[in-house]
Amino acid sequence: AQSVAQPEDQVNVAEGNPLTVKCTYSVSGNPYLFWYVQYPNRGLQFLLKYITGDNLVKGSYGFEAEFNKSQTSFHLKKPSALVSDSALYFCAVSGETSYDKVIFGPGTSLSVIP
Amino acid sequence: DAGVIQSPRHEVTEMGQEVTLRCKPISGHDYLFWYRQTMMRGLELLIYFNNNVPIDDSGMPEDRFSAKMPNASFSTLKIQPSEPRDSAVYFCASSLTVGTSGQYFGPGTRLTVL
Repeated sequence: AQSVAQPEDQVNVAEGNPLTVKCTYSVSGNPYLFWYVQYPNRGLQFLLKYITGDNLVKGSYGFEAEFNKSQTSFHLKKPSALVSDSALYFCAVSGETSYDKVIFGPGTSLSVIP
Repeated sequence: DAGVIQSPRHEVTEMGQEVTLRCKPISGHDYLFWYRQTMMRGLELLIYFNNNVPIDDSGMPEDRFSAKMPNASFSTLKIQPSEPRDSAVYFCASSLTVGTSGQYFGPGTRLTVL
């Protein structure tokens, strides 16, 4: 069965510093990996996905994620954090069959401090 | 496209009453998902549909919950009778595929059962 973990409940970073939100996964076969962001009182918004190809995936709002197969990780990164990036971030994974559901992680709360 | 539309945005009801949540997915998306989000349990998949047919309802908590999708542009999630522990934010999402494309979430319905 597939699963996804986000080891940090909370990440704090100073504005202008690089940020990383961690995600590890477990899935049979090749994974499909996703990042979503949720702002207060809003639905989740799709940021980016990894299907195949280049291990570095670029997404919305300047975010990128690095796929590492040997470490089964898919960490979200941004070179320079903005206060407006403060939100809840969800990593998600599905398997490679057409019937595999997407499994969401528990979420990581990111606070960017001015 | 206006995105996924949910109504109502807020619902306050008393224990024992019937509650109906509504969702209009993005046109052309074959998959529709219902999620529940709480602080304690995070984001839970309740049920999903493919081409209006329920595929997996294993996440529906109990028989008090039911979901229908009478056509490609409308779905309902009904709770009858409602209980205080059903208080949560309920999200509807739609996508092109079940696990390989991003899901697009509605703004959610915040349900409070007194």
